[in-house]
Amino acid sequence: AAGVIQSPRHLIKEKRETATLKCYPIPRHDTVYWYQQGPGQDPQFLISFYEKMQSDKGSIPDRFSAQQFSDYHSELNMSSLELGDSALYFCASSFLRRTSTDTQYFGPGTRLTVL
Amino acid sequence: DAKTTQPPSMDCAEGRAANLPCNHSTISGNEYVYWYRQIHSQGPQYIIHGLKNNETNEMASLIITEDRKSSTLILPHATLRDTAVYYCIVRVERGKLIFGQGTELSVKP
Repeated sequence: AAGVIQSPRHLIKEKRETATLKCYPIPRHDTVYWYQQGPGQDPQFLISFYEKMQSDKGSIPDRFSAQQFSDYHSELNMSSLELGDSALYFCASSFLRRTSTDTQYFGPGTRLTVL
Repeated sequence: DAKTTQPPSMDCAEGRAANLPCNHSTISGNEYVYWYRQIHSQGPQYIIHGLKNNETNEMASLIITEDRKSSTLILPHATLRDTAVYYCIVRVERGKLIFGQGTELSVKP
């Protein structure tokens, strides 16, 4: 079965640069969630989108922005990168309209390293 | 969302059942219990979820107490590949996942 696709899988950037992470949800899924996992930490929710509209927001820095496009893929844009942004970034997708409980399925993650 | 409490680590012998407990004493009536696991920096993997009835799928069984204040995830025949961090998460439908510290399960030969 098709899974969530994230690209790139690895990304190395310098401080103050920008980065764009992409997420392609499971086909027919309409909701995308972004999570950040720092070294030795548990995943933390950043932001989510349903039907191209932001549906919830967590501890996402103002330097980060995200959107969901008409084909349901999502992009997380990160500007003025800091060393502390080095982390694994996971995207998850779910099918909200189908059932009342939307199980989230995660992608393999993008490992961002800021030097 | 209700908070969950899990033991930080557990060991299990290969081939034996692994029983992972979770306390969620402040769970609300509309909150589900979800279990995910994460194998060494891979994306969290969905295992099972339930509201108040016990649930079973090809991966595991979920036993929820009648008062819903605690639950147990059961891996019936643990293998070395089940070594992972297991997260018990309580969430409302359509809500974000809030990960706690989880239980680091080590399956030993």
